[in-house]
Amino acid sequence: QVQLVQSGAEVKKPGASLKLSCKASGYTFTNYYMHWVRQAPGQGVEWMGIINPSGGATNYAQKFRGRVTVTRDTSTSTVYMEVSSLRSEDTAAYYCAGDMLTGDDAFDTWGQGTMVTVSS
Amino acid sequence: EIVLTQSPGTLSLAPGERATLSCRASQSVSSNYLAWYQQKPGQAPRLLIYGASSRATGIPDRFSGSGSGTDFTLTISRLEPEDFAVYYCQQYGTSPLAEYTFGQGTKLEIK
Repeated sequence: QVQLVQSGAEVKKPGASLKLSCKASGYTFTNYYMHWVRQAPGQGVEWMGIINPSGGATNYAQKFRGRVTVTRDTSTSTVYMEVSSLRSEDTAAYYCAGDMLTGDDAFDTWGQGTMVTVSS
Repeated sequence: EIVLTQSPGTLSLAPGERATLSCRASQSVSSNYLAWYQQKPGQAPRLLIYGASSRATGIPDRFSGSGSGTDFTLTISRLEPEDFAVYYCQQYGTSPLAEYTFGQGTKLEIK
């Protein structure tokens, strides 16, 4: 079955960098775009960026450009997201997600989430 | 960037009642690329509705979506206890690498 498995929880200090992973299985990895979404505690859901696993093209929400980089490794069917210059406001649950089933670009498949805590 | 505004912020209803949630876009949503998600505490969001009105796989028919252009609605015809959660609308772009945005959410709570 289609599955997205994310890396484990992280605790980072302000100013550090972070690299999260999302391993896909159960479908052809290069056929479906992958997104990253985050949710700060008690807050709403925020779209961060997208990658085309086939060619590696990306796009990011304006507020994350220059600080977030999404990459992929087709040999392991894994997507990565690196966030630099972490600050306390980056404390959140981070999810990878995509349209692997519906064919309409809505997010029908989600990872289990990775909790990131940024604290001195 | 399209801004989505959801209303109300919180909706208090009893099981068995009808829920109507609104999502208004700052500009027209192309091809009705508007989705609704349900999120329960500690879980990832779950897709309910895509294309403004199509139910995702496994979603009960008490959930329905409607609307076009800038005004969209999620209706839950008869609330079940498991429906009390937070609901988000989302617009997705005309091209896959376009920007996506979510509304701020509506919390549906038990009255």
